[in-house]
Amino acid sequence: DAGITQSPRHKVTETGTPVTLRCHQTENHRYMYWYRQDPGHGLRLIHYSYGVKDTDKGEVSDGYSVSRSKTEDFLLTLESATSSQTSVYFCAISDHYEQYFGPGTRLTVT
Amino acid sequence: QQQVKQSPQSLIVQKGGISIINCAYENTAFDYFPWYQQFPGKGPALLIAIRPDVSEKKEGRFTISFNKSAKQFSLHIMDSQPGDSATYFCAAIGNQFYFGTGTSLTVIP
Repeated sequence: DAGITQSPRHKVTETGTPVTLRCHQTENHRYMYWYRQDPGHGLRLIHYSYGVKDTDKGEVSDGYSVSRSKTEDFLLTLESATSSQTSVYFCAISDHYEQYFGPGTRLTVT
Repeated sequence: QQQVKQSPQSLIVQKGGISIINCAYENTAFDYFPWYQQFPGKGPALLIAIRPDVSEKKEGRFTISFNKSAKQFSLHIMDSQPGDSATYFCAAIGNQFYFGTGTSLTVIP
């Protein structure tokens, strides 16, 4: 496996609370991504980063923010969690074309 | 708007048979087309990939066929095995990654 870890791996939270998911890489790849995976939708890009402090929105960015203060860490924050954000979240890294995925975080918002 | 359309949604194949998954795209700016394999509880893993200047790429039992004029590409799994049972995603890459919605493959012993 590529050196990607995600934490936590599982989380249950209540509607309206903020939640932060962490992605950590040891590969020194330039690009980092956050996806959510839902049945019938496949993988949808939330945000991505092309360098430290350089981020941009994906197709489903509403309700999410990201930060990248170090090459190895990419944080995803749900500012006020809603039930529609119950999903499995994957972090991915790449240098250009080939993406490598982390093990995922299963988030449940009750 | 779905950038990459994948079919079928699910597929059941007998052991030893051929599994075929199809994808179609519209944006001619895409220049790299990977396939990912995902087992339950795991992240997707890169399986095989092709560039649009090549019509076919083979790695072991896995083959990508690419039809640039039709804007379609497909994954063929020859001699399918129960261990191939997983979800497969196609993707198209330009300035961003776009994934298909996935195909759940079940190979029956």
